[in-house]
Amino acid sequence: KQEVTQIPAALSVPEGENLVLNCSFTDSAIYNLQWFRQDPGKGLTSLLLIQSSQREQTSGRLNASLDKSSGRSTLYIAASQPGDSATYLCAVPNTGNQFYFGTGTSLTVIP
Amino acid sequence: GAVVSQHPSRVICKSGTSVKIECRSLDFQATTMFWYRQFPKQSLMLMATSNEGSKATYEQGVEKDKFLINHASLTLSTLTVTSAHPEDSSFYICSVLGGGAQETQYFGPGTRLLVL
Repeated sequence: KQEVTQIPAALSVPEGENLVLNCSFTDSAIYNLQWFRQDPGKGLTSLLLIQSSQREQTSGRLNASLDKSSGRSTLYIAASQPGDSATYLCAVPNTGNQFYFGTGTSLTVIP
Repeated sequence: GAVVSQHPSRVICKSGTSVKIECRSLDFQATTMFWYRQFPKQSLMLMATSNEGSKATYEQGVEKDKFLINHASLTLSTLTVTSAHPEDSSFYICSVLGGGAQETQYFGPGTRLLVL
C-alpha cells in the first residue's frame, strides 16, 4: 500500500522568505502527483499536478518537482506571503484513481 | 475543471440520528466519486469509491452499513451516516474523478459534521 509522508509537519517563516515543502512516497509506480492547499475548515484547492513523465510544474510563485525514482516531490514557494498560510497536502493516486494523501505541512507566514 | 458542491456545509445532530450529505458535480457527469473523511489535525482518509449505478467500494475499516453511499445519477452521490455517534464527528469531503488524460480529482468544499 502506498504511504505518503510530508516533512516538516509544521513550518513558520517570516514574510518574503522562499521555502520548500517535502513529500515522499513509498511506491514509485505512480501516474501523477498532486499538491493541494487546505485552509482551516475548508475543502481542498488543487495547486499543481505533475504527471509521472514530468519533472516539474510551475504556477506563479509555486514550483513543484518530481523525482519518481527516489519517491520524492518538493513544493517550492517563492517570496512567501501571509496569505500563503495554510496546510499543504501532497497526494498520489493508485491504479483505481484513489488518492493517498500525505500527512500535510502546516505553513504559517508571519507578516 | 469540474465544479463540485456539497450540502450541507455544516450540520449538528443528536447522537443516534442519521445525516445525509450530498455531493453534486455541477458541470460534469461523474461516473466515479470519492468520499473522504478528515479528523482534526489529520490528513484526509479515503472512505469509499462511489460508482454510478453500482455499489460503492469501501476501504478497509469503513462500515458499509453505517456509511451508506448512493450514486444514483451522474451528478449526485449521497453519503448517509446512520445512527451517528460523537466519534463520527468529522469533516467529510467528496471528490469527482475528472475525465481526460490527466484524470485529476476535483474536490467539494466539505461538510462539517458534529454529533452531540
